[in-house]
Amino acid sequence: QQQVKQSPQSLIVQKGGISIINCAYENTAFDYFPWYQQFPGKGPALLIAIRPDVSEKKEGRFTISFNKSAKQFSLHIMDSQPGDSATYFCAASMAGNQFYFGTGTSLTVIP
Amino acid sequence: GAVVSQHPSWVICKSGTSVKIECRSLDFQATTMFWYRQFPKQSLMLMATSNEGSKATYEQGVEKDKFLINHASLTLSTLTVTSAHPEDSSFYICSAETSGIAYEQFFGPGTRLTVL
Repeated sequence: QQQVKQSPQSLIVQKGGISIINCAYENTAFDYFPWYQQFPGKGPALLIAIRPDVSEKKEGRFTISFNKSAKQFSLHIMDSQPGDSATYFCAASMAGNQFYFGTGTSLTVIP
Repeated sequence: GAVVSQHPSWVICKSGTSVKIECRSLDFQATTMFWYRQFPKQSLMLMATSNEGSKATYEQGVEKDKFLINHASLTLSTLTVTSAHPEDSSFYICSAETSGIAYEQFFGPGTRLTVL
């Protein structure tokens, strides 16, 4: 059973636009929801993360929106830039246990 | 964020040989480290969870005798691919988890293994 479902699989956004990637999870015991950014040939880098005690977290151009009742969370990239073109993975976990990853979203920001 | 290193970053070996990959947490101690395998354009597939001082926990379908994991210290875990075959060619990524309530997981840069 897929613990974390991610959509869309791929996304093309104009420079300056907003990129939105969505994830849904199954296990209500999850207490940590990170987003990772991965460039080709590199390991994933932690971008931003949220815990369920808040509904939104913003860091620069990146915002996580968290809806506990709907078991959904999303990543918003404001003013998207070509340098943001990468694969983005959402994940969910609980302390001391494995992280469950979404299937990834390939983002392309066109100039 | 915390830094995790992997060595080597790229290795080519002949079929039948063994390859060791090191994963180090450089500025924090990690009781738990994870090993993943990633195929092109796919998500990360967890292979095993490595706990310092104890045996690794392998995911279903992962051969523990083929993928040997040793977590000898709080900053080092190693993955040894024994008797490697071409189908073992992949991108192997480790991660290390910080401890405490505000735990986070940080990834290494990955190791590209090519078995000829």
